[in-house]
Amino acid sequence: NAGVMQNPRHLVRRRGQEARLRCSPMKGHSHVYWYRQLPEEGLKFMVYLQKENIIDESGMPKERFSAEFPKEGPSILRIQQVVRGDSAAYFCASSRGTEYTGELFFGEGSRLTVL
Amino acid sequence: GDSVTQMEGPVTLSEEAFLTINCTYTATGYPSLFWYVQYPGEGLQLLLKATKADDKGSNKGFEATYRKETTSFHLEKGSVQVSDSAVYFCALSDQGFQKLVFGTGTRLLVSP
Repeated sequence: NAGVMQNPRHLVRRRGQEARLRCSPMKGHSHVYWYRQLPEEGLKFMVYLQKENIIDESGMPKERFSAEFPKEGPSILRIQQVVRGDSAAYFCASSRGTEYTGELFFGEGSRLTVL
Repeated sequence: GDSVTQMEGPVTLSEEAFLTINCTYTATGYPSLFWYVQYPGEGLQLLLKATKADDKGSNKGFEATYRKETTSFHLEKGSVQVSDSAVYFCALSDQGFQKLVFGTGTRLLVSP
């Protein structure tokens, strides 16, 4: 499967635990984006990364959330000390570069449930 | 700020019926507009797009026209198939494509 791969697909955490979501972009893509979809809302931009660089994190909550895209390996979205309000679907997307095509390639999403 | 409003679902149709899913937007500049589709068990994928007023995007029998005067980008298809059952997301980009603003999605269910 050459598409964007996200794991885990479903994750259950108790309040105060840490959640780590992984995203492997499509082959040949070096740009990764994370979006969050809260219940009954649209997908909202969180962060845009290139290899080893955070380009735009304007949509990321200031506390408890972090993202990285190392030189080797998948992009990781990390949520520390999760709270019930973090329950959502987290979507990763990738693209080849910054040319304006409007086409992002999305993964199937990781659904986080905080008990 | 920028926003997208689309009709709530689910939209339930019989095969070969005509489909319209409404989408309106609010933006400060001149956005590009998109429809993405998510089939069951898959990620979102771009269905069609339009980058300026009066442009018509089309793909797989679906069409949408960028209407600046009504700030709308309604999705239409003349004859839906069971395989069109999916969630459809309207989106805009006003700051470069990496910052898409999405609507809440509309689920379409097509029965034989």
